[in-house]
Amino acid sequence: GQSLEQPSEVTAVEGAIVQINCTYQTSGFYGLSWYQQHDGGAPTFLSYNALDGLEETGRFSSFLSRSDSYGYLLLQELQMKDSASYFCALTASGGSYIPTFGRGTSLIVHP
Amino acid sequence: NAGVTQTPKFRVLKTGQSMTLLCAQDMNHEYMYWYRQDPGMGLRLIHYSVGEGTTAKGEVPDGYNVSRLKKQNFLLGLESAAPSQTSVYFCASSYLPGTSGRAGELFFGEGSRLTVL
Repeated sequence: GQSLEQPSEVTAVEGAIVQINCTYQTSGFYGLSWYQQHDGGAPTFLSYNALDGLEETGRFSSFLSRSDSYGYLLLQELQMKDSASYFCALTASGGSYIPTFGRGTSLIVHP
Repeated sequence: NAGVTQTPKFRVLKTGQSMTLLCAQDMNHEYMYWYRQDPGMGLRLIHYSVGEGTTAKGEVPDGYNVSRLKKQNFLLGLESAAPSQTSVYFCASSYLPGTSGRAGELFFGEGSRLTVL
């Protein structure tokens, strides 16, 4: 099976940089994804790391280290609208390709 | 451009009643999924389908059944609702990984909020 650990809550101030970590245990996976979910809304895809290293998409970057079983989402120039829950997800290997989600991190951005 | 559409968006049931949630996607995706989301529990996979006519169990399948008779539709059924099934249900769909689209990307519906009294 797979398991993922994320902090339950992170707080930061507007304009700052914040990192949301995700550690995992798995017997094999294709990649690590990140999703954003605002209160009452649908999760929306942010990024996907198949290989070790950093993927950058605007103010958001995601990092993966397979040797450390670790990844993170980096949010720069924080805005109030970034207040949301963020989920990491592993896409399983072995032919199923089914994502398993972490429990999510609630990001609170203060003015 | 509808994407993934779930119906109904809200429903209140009494214990023992049955109901079906409908998910429809217009992106010609092979994979479809049903997740439930409870406070502090993240998204837990109930059932999924890798193509028309196929279904498989996920992490929390008990008390639910599914069908994928048409590629664009994925139905989630509750035969005898229980208060423990009070949750927000999300349907999602994706391409077959490696074929097209961004790898690892699931497209979610807006959710169906179910309360069982």
